[in-house]
This record gives sequence, structure tokens and C-alpha cells, in this order.
Amino acid sequence: GDSVTQMEGPVTLSEEAFLTINCTYTATGYPSLFWYVQYPGEGLQLLLKATKADDKGSNKGFEATYRKETTSFHLEKGSVQVSDSAVYFCALSISNTGKLIFGQGTTLQVKP
Amino acid sequence: NAGVTQTPKFQVLKTGQSMTLQCAQDMNHEYMSWYRQDPGMGLRLIHYSVGAGITDQGEVPNGYNVSRSTTEDFPLRLLSAAPSQTSVYFCASRPSGITDTQYFGPGTRLTVL
Repeated sequence: GDSVTQMEGPVTLSEEAFLTINCTYTATGYPSLFWYVQYPGEGLQLLLKATKADDKGSNKGFEATYRKETTSFHLEKGSVQVSDSAVYFCALSISNTGKLIFGQGTTLQVKP
Repeated sequence: NAGVTQTPKFQVLKTGQSMTLQCAQDMNHEYMSWYRQDPGMGLRLIHYSVGAGITDQGEVPNGYNVSRSTTEDFPLRLLSAAPSQTSVYFCASRPSGITDTQYFGPGTRLTVL
């Protein structure tokens, strides 16, 4: 079945370090891909998305490129801040049912 | 717009009790979903609805019921609570157009003793 796999966390970085969180997926159709972020004590917010192969989603300095050949959607940021500390979820959606399939989440902690 | 609202924010139940988690959205979205979030497991889909009067099961539907009598509301019922249902529950909605972006509520933290 359809699934999403994220790199294990937690990830601990110093401020201004480069961030990569790996995400790979398995899907039978042509999924849209998402990164959601959950700040402590809050619900999920959409961070960025890509709806077709080779699309690049970007927001708040974060980027991810939809790679169909490697079935990946890795999240990157060039210089993280303490305020980026959160849990990041990769997800896919393959139909108009509104269903999302999530990865297990990766906790990012950024230290000053 | 208030977006997606959920009540209550916190709830403690005893095993065997029943309750309803409320979810409402004021964005006129057709699609609504319920997820549960457990440590190390991401979010798992419980039930979803593609419009008023239409619901379907997700990945982990056992022990939960839903109905969708209006576009705005999508309550989740626990018929006989079990400790395994201790979790954080999120409701989400999205429009019916080509965008797939879901909007999430703030969550309900449920503890079953």
C-alpha cells in the first residue's frame, strides 16, 4: 500500500547549520507531496507542497523537490534558527478523497 | 474565519465511558477527516468524509463512529473508551478543488484510564 518513510529523529543542530530531513514514499498513483510542521503544543501547519514531478515547494527558507525517479521529497534549509525547532511530517495525497498518509515525524531541535 | 475548531482541548475518561469529540469548520470545505497522533507513529487516519452524508473508514476506524449531517460539523464518537485510545486527536478539512492542502484543528488530548 501507499506509505511514507522519514528519517529517524531527533535531529539536533546548532543555529545556522544546514538541515536535511529525508523523506521517501511509495504510491501507486501520482501523489501530491507535503511537508507539515507542528510547533510544541500546536496543531499541524502546512509548510510546503509539490503536486507533480520536478516541482519545488518552498516557504520560510525551507525547500523540497518532488523527485519521481527516486520517490523522494527531502526537506532542506540552508540556515536553521532556534525558532525552527518543531516536529516535521512528510505526507502524501493521491486522490480527491482528502486522505493524507503521514510519515512518523522527525523532531528537530536547534540549539543557540 | 475561525478555521477548524475542536472541543474539548483536554479530556480524561474512564474505561468504558463514551464521549464525542467535536469538530467544526467555517470555510465551507467539503472534505473533513479525523486523525490520531501517537508517539513515533505519525498521524493515522480514523475516518473521513467527502461531503455531508458521506463518510468512510480510514486506517484505524475500530472503536470510533462518525457522521456528517452538515458541511460544517464532523463529530467523532468513542462508543466505549479503551486505554488504547489514549492519544491526541486532530480534525482537518480541505476544499474540494484541485488543491490538496488540509487545514488542521488544534487537537484534543484524550486520556483513557
